[in-house]
Amino acid sequence: DAKTTQPPSMDCAEGRAANLPCNHSTISGNEYVYWYRQIHSQGPQYIIHGLKNNETNEMASLIITEDRKSSTLILPHATLRDTAVYYCIVTDKLIFGTGTRLQVFP
Amino acid sequence: KAGVTQTPRYLIKTRGQQVTLSCSPISGHRSVSWYQQTPGQGLQFLFEYFSETQRNKGNFPGRFSGRQFSNSRSEMNVSTLELGDSALYLCASSLWTGGTSGANVLTFGAGSRLTVL
Repeated sequence: DAKTTQPPSMDCAEGRAANLPCNHSTISGNEYVYWYRQIHSQGPQYIIHGLKNNETNEMASLIITEDRKSSTLILPHATLRDTAVYYCIVTDKLIFGTGTRLQVFP
Repeated sequence: KAGVTQTPRYLIKTRGQQVTLSCSPISGHRSVSWYQQTPGQGLQFLFEYFSETQRNKGNFPGRFSGRQFSNSRSEMNVSTLELGDSALYLCASSLWTGGTSGANVLTFGAGSRLTVL
């Protein structure tokens, strides 16, 4: 199963872009990359997903490297409400790790 | 439309007891997965059901079991509760119908918080 590696924590100033990296070097050709976030023990919330092309929606952008071994979630203008744990997953078994705790500060 | 509904939201049990948690997926979703979340271990996959069949199983002891009914509602059961089973149990549903596709976007419920004394 593809596993992911994320930094345990990151800080970001309010209004700046938050770039959250994820390494998934064992991803196989037909596996998608999904990003979720969890705010204070609520259920995780879907953000975005992609296969090989970069994706953008109203919440974020997803940049996937050409070799698909890593990706970056971009929150273009972080707000205090974006403070959460962000999870990157890449397998049909949907195995979450411990994610990245993003702290947005004023 | 209604989201994923989990019941009960909170419950307290004692060691040795058993517990059953329920999950009603979003209407039309036939895939249901369960997760355990503890402060130390993060979000861990328990099992996934599709059309009343367990499709995947995480690395949990046999005390943890689940099932899915014909209406896609799912239950999980934990027998002989231990202190370490205290956790937030999350259920998620999706439109996934088979194969590896972009359709496995999960919608989570609010969770059932279990405390074992």
